Amino acid sequence: KNEVEQSPQNLTAQEGEFITINCSYSVGISALHWLQQHPGGGIVSLFMLSSGKKKHGRLIATINIQEKHSSLHITASHPRDSAVYICAPQTSGSRLTFGEGTQLTVNP
Amino acid sequence: DAGVIQSPRHEVTEMGQEVTLRCKPISGHNSLFWYRQTMMRGLELLIYFNNNVPIDDSGMPEDRFSAKMPNASFSTLKIQPSEPRDSAVYFCASSGGSGSVAGELFFGEGSRLTVL
Repeated sequence: KNEVEQSPQNLTAQEGEFITINCSYSVGISALHWLQQHPGGGIVSLFMLSSGKKKHGRLIATINIQEKHSSLHITASHPRDSAVYICAPQTSGSRLTFGEGTQLTVNP
Repeated sequence: DAGVIQSPRHEVTEMGQEVTLRCKPISGHNSLFWYRQTMMRGLELLIYFNNNVPIDDSGMPEDRFSAKMPNASFSTLKIQPSEPRDSAVYFCASSGGSGSVAGELFFGEGSRLTVL
């Protein structure tokens, strides 16, 4: 079993839909990162959180440390949100373990 | 700030040649990471430095790979000799420093390496 499981692997939505991407992990962590990888390949850090919830614009990330689960939500999705979203729990020191990513496509 | 700067952006080389990838972290950041991304294995940490000192190099595949950080503004990842299975995108990232969210990662654009 992988240490990090993301679901779904692929997600297609219509513009305006509410989107949820889930991440479950089996290791002890100090924090969890959500990353966005654009079609051109660049990677951007969206969130780093260790408890509760964070919000940036239309993006919301939550984490439940006891249940070892995190979710990334996108409200009012837009075609420009199309990207791969990667969950990355931070384990020992600054080491990240990466999920396989969720490919999101938002159609106009 | 210009962000994390990597060079070259693309490199095509022949098996057996030496490859050097370069990274300039964001000024003031004290942690630097080298990651590799392939279709088969996804993103993997190769090595990271804290205050120019290598902290965790357990992800470095084998002796053909070496990384250095001679000062706070420059790091190299060297592959010698290169092999076709080293073909991947290599990302450098930095974090830390005042004014930024502690631990938030900033990635470079990546160096796409193709070994023929």
